[in-house]
Amino acid sequence: DAGITQSPRHKVTETGTPVTLRCHQTENHRYMYWYRQDPGHGLRLIHYSYGVKDTDKGEVSDGYSVSRSKTEDFLLTLESATSSQTSVYFCAISGTSGPTGELFFGEGSRLTVL
Amino acid sequence: GDSVTQMEGPVTLSEEAFLTINCTYTATGYPSLFWYVQYPGEGLQLLLKATKADDKGSNKGFEATYRKETTSFHLEKGSVQVSDSAVYFCALTSGGGSYIPTFGRGTSLIVHP
Repeated sequence: DAGITQSPRHKVTETGTPVTLRCHQTENHRYMYWYRQDPGHGLRLIHYSYGVKDTDKGEVSDGYSVSRSKTEDFLLTLESATSSQTSVYFCAISGTSGPTGELFFGEGSRLTVL
Repeated sequence: GDSVTQMEGPVTLSEEAFLTINCTYTATGYPSLFWYVQYPGEGLQLLLKATKADDKGSNKGFEATYRKETTSFHLEKGSVQVSDSAVYFCALTSGGGSYIPTFGRGTSLIVHP
């Protein structure tokens, strides 16, 4: 199994508070992704990274920011959480020398914004 | 742009029934095709893949054949088990420097004893 850990696995927070989700990998994979999963929407890409300090927006990036200061860590931040950001968040990694398309996923972080 | 269309679920079957989940795609170039499975409470994991036309991916009794002429990658299993109950996602990468896989919306499979 690919070494990916997400933290926290569960979080309940209030509207307007900042939240940071962490994805940590031990595989030295270059590409990292943050998705959210909601009923009826499948998986939607929030942000992705193709190297240290190299990140870009996905299809639902509004209200989210990311940072990648080390190969192994990819942080997702909600600056001011809203109820619409209640979701399950998945981190994924891919490829050592190039994007093979095969992703390895973390176990997910369930976020509830009250 | 690239897209993946899967049949909507849930698909409900009895144990030992034959399974087909349809997947069609549009993509530029020569995509690689994937099926992922998500068991309850878990992340997605790769089930099988095919990287060129006419390739057949297989794993755990599941199969899918890359059909370029019909732009399809249907998932099949001859005899499903209760433990196959999960959500199945079809996906592709079209290469050409793209780092971003394209996913279908997922199809929920429920298998009854």
